[in-house]
Amino acid sequence: NAGVTQTPKFQVLKTGQSMTLQCAQDMNHEYMSWYRQDPGMGLRLIHYSVGAGITDQGEVPNGYNVSRSTTEDFPLRLLSAAPSQTSVYFCASSHGDTQYFGPGTRLTVL
Amino acid sequence: AQTVTQSQPEMSVQEAETVTLSCTYDTSESNYYLFWYKQPPSRQMILVIRQEAYKQQNATENRFSVNFQKAAKSFSLKISDSQLGDTAMYFCAFMNRDDKIIFGKGTRLHILP
Repeated sequence: NAGVTQTPKFQVLKTGQSMTLQCAQDMNHEYMSWYRQDPGMGLRLIHYSVGAGITDQGEVPNGYNVSRSTTEDFPLRLLSAAPSQTSVYFCASSHGDTQYFGPGTRLTVL
Repeated sequence: AQTVTQSQPEMSVQEAETVTLSCTYDTSESNYYLFWYKQPPSRQMILVIRQEAYKQQNATENRFSVNFQKAAKSFSLKISDSQLGDTAMYFCAFMNRDDKIIFGKGTRLHILP
């Protein structure tokens, strides 16, 4: 099992560019989620999904889109990147009360 | 709103000492889960210990144990015989009945040689 994988590990964007952060899991978990981590703020929930075809907003959804066409994949899209989206992004999948985190993507928006 | 508060932004202790990290939370739910996560410089989120709210017995995992006080909504982490590898950010987290996890802002722990 690879667990939860995220690509890329690092990314630099210019303001206004778009990109997709990829997340995949091979554990057949229904629940997947995206967090952002900012200094002094802990992890904050962006979007989550309870299964293929079902997504919902978390605490800080503005500026991000998600879709869940398969159980395995849960990509996060930035349509028009802004400097305020500079952060470390974590994807997670869970089974019951146990969450498994990906290694994170460090995104810088100039 | 459900919140998790870690009142110690940063702590330092000598190697082999015992250290306690504080965490309080606010919820109206009666059944939930609590967690402590460790984030070393590698950035990986590592689950240290979990506690189910309906269990009165405090969870333990080797050198890590918790003091869970449900009425006080307190969930502190005790690290015994601290080691240099324990140096990391530690996050307290709460899982509600919708499986959403709410994190505290973290405590940066330094273990000094």
